Amino acid sequence: EVQLVESGGGSAQPGESLRLSCVASGFTFEDSGMHWVRQVPGKGLEWVGGISWNSAGIVYGDSMKGRVTVSRDNAKRSVFLEIRSLRPDDAAMYYCAKDLGGFVTTDLQHWGRGTRVAVSS
Amino acid sequence: QTVVTQEPSLTVSPGGTVTLTCASSTGPVTSSFYPNWIQQRPGQAPRALIYSTTNRHPWTPARFSGSVLGDKAVLTVSGVQPEDEAVYYCALYFGGAPVVFGGGTRLTVL
Repeated sequence: EVQLVESGGGSAQPGESLRLSCVASGFTFEDSGMHWVRQVPGKGLEWVGGISWNSAGIVYGDSMKGRVTVSRDNAKRSVFLEIRSLRPDDAAMYYCAKDLGGFVTTDLQHWGRGTRVAVSS
Repeated sequence: QTVVTQEPSLTVSPGGTVTLTCASSTGPVTSSFYPNWIQQRPGQAPRALIYSTTNRHPWTPARFSGSVLGDKAVLTVSGVQPEDEAVYYCALYFGGAPVVFGGGTRLTVL
C-alpha cells in the first residue's frame, strides 16, 4: 500500500523558515517523481513544485518561486519542502504527492494527508 | 497568468448524470494538456480519479469518465452516488508549469 506521511508543519512567525518532510513507503521511491501542493483552508489546490526521480528536474509554481526549495533523499525515501521568509498567506495544509512516473508531470497519482502550517506573530 | 476555469458548483440527484468542465484561458483544451481530475471529499485529502484525459486509476469507479469535448476537458459522472458529493479539481499541463489546478467544482448530491 502506498503511503505518504508529511511532517514538519506547525506554527511559525512571519519571516521564519520551515522545512517540511514527506516519508514514502509502498512503492519504488527512487523511480518516482514527487510533488508538493498546498491548500489554504476553505480554498482550492495550489501546486507548489515538483522534483524528478533523480533530482535533475525541479520545477516550481509561480506563487512561491524564489522562496521555496524542493529536494529529496532517495536513501531515506523522503522529499522535502523548504519555505523561507514565511508570510501569513503561507498558512495552509501542505500535501506531498507521488507522480505516476519518474518525472514532474500533471499526473499526481497518490496523495498524503498533509501537514498544516500556521503563520502568525 | 494562466487560468483554469471550472463551474463553482453543480447539483445532481442520486442516480443522475452530471458533467463537469475544465477550460483554459489560453484557448481550447486538448489531450496535450493531459487533463487530470481529482476528488476531495469533505475533511479528506485529495484523491486522483482520472489522468491523461481518459485513464482511470485502479481505484476509480467506472461511473467516472474523462474526455475532451469541444474546447474543454470534461468529467462525466453517471449514476451518481451519495458518496460522490465532493469538490472536484481539474489539473492541466502548461509546459513550464506542469500542474495548474482549476478552482474546483463543488458537487452536491441532492
